[in-house]
Amino acid sequence: DAKTTQPPSMDCAEGRAANLPCNHSTISGNEYVYWYRQIHSQGPQYIIHGLKNNETNEMASLIITEDRKSSTLILPHATLRDTAVYYCIVRSFTGGGNKLTFGTGTQLKVEL
Amino acid sequence: NAGVTQTPKFRILKIGQSMTLQCAQDMNHNYMYWYRQDPGMGLKLIYYSVGAGITDKGEVPNGYNVSRSTTEDFPLRLELAAPSQTSVYFCASSPSYKPRSSGTFTYGYTFGSGTRLTVV
Repeated sequence: DAKTTQPPSMDCAEGRAANLPCNHSTISGNEYVYWYRQIHSQGPQYIIHGLKNNETNEMASLIITEDRKSSTLILPHATLRDTAVYYCIVRSFTGGGNKLTFGTGTQLKVEL
Repeated sequence: NAGVTQTPKFRILKIGQSMTLQCAQDMNHNYMYWYRQDPGMGLKLIYYSVGAGITDKGEVPNGYNVSRSTTEDFPLRLELAAPSQTSVYFCASSPSYKPRSSGTFTYGYTFGSGTRLTVV
């Protein structure tokens, strides 16, 4: 699976959009981009995933660049409860039990 | 529907002791996983299973054993606890690969709440 690079930390004002970047320059054609978050010491929570089209669900939007070498997770109206570590993960589905490889993620701090 | 249930939530072990971390899921997921997370670090895969009777090593399997006799349960065994095994352990499950007609995949992992283990 391709490696990802994320900034170690970001701050965001409550009510504003939080834009979390992720670089995955070695991504291959059959690899998906997944985002998870971990609030405090809880188990990680699935947010969203995509292949090449932009995706939106009730939690967030995922923007993937045309060359697929980077992506941005957007939390449209961040709240204090969105303070968490956000993990960007790239993986394929060619077998191997659908394993996810976690990096160190981005610590997002949402402040008043 | 409880999702993924891990027990115990906390445990202190002495060096050389053994214990089993329990994990159960009620979503009929084929795939199950054990991760560990050290302070300030991301999760590292210990073992995983793609179905009952089938297990395989992940990134950091040394010092651990697993079994998968049923779809629901995936216990993790520590035989001789060492201080290096002090960590938070997460169990997770996911459905098996199943494409949709749109070409996207609709699953994500479901994680348990974790077991915080200290070896002294």
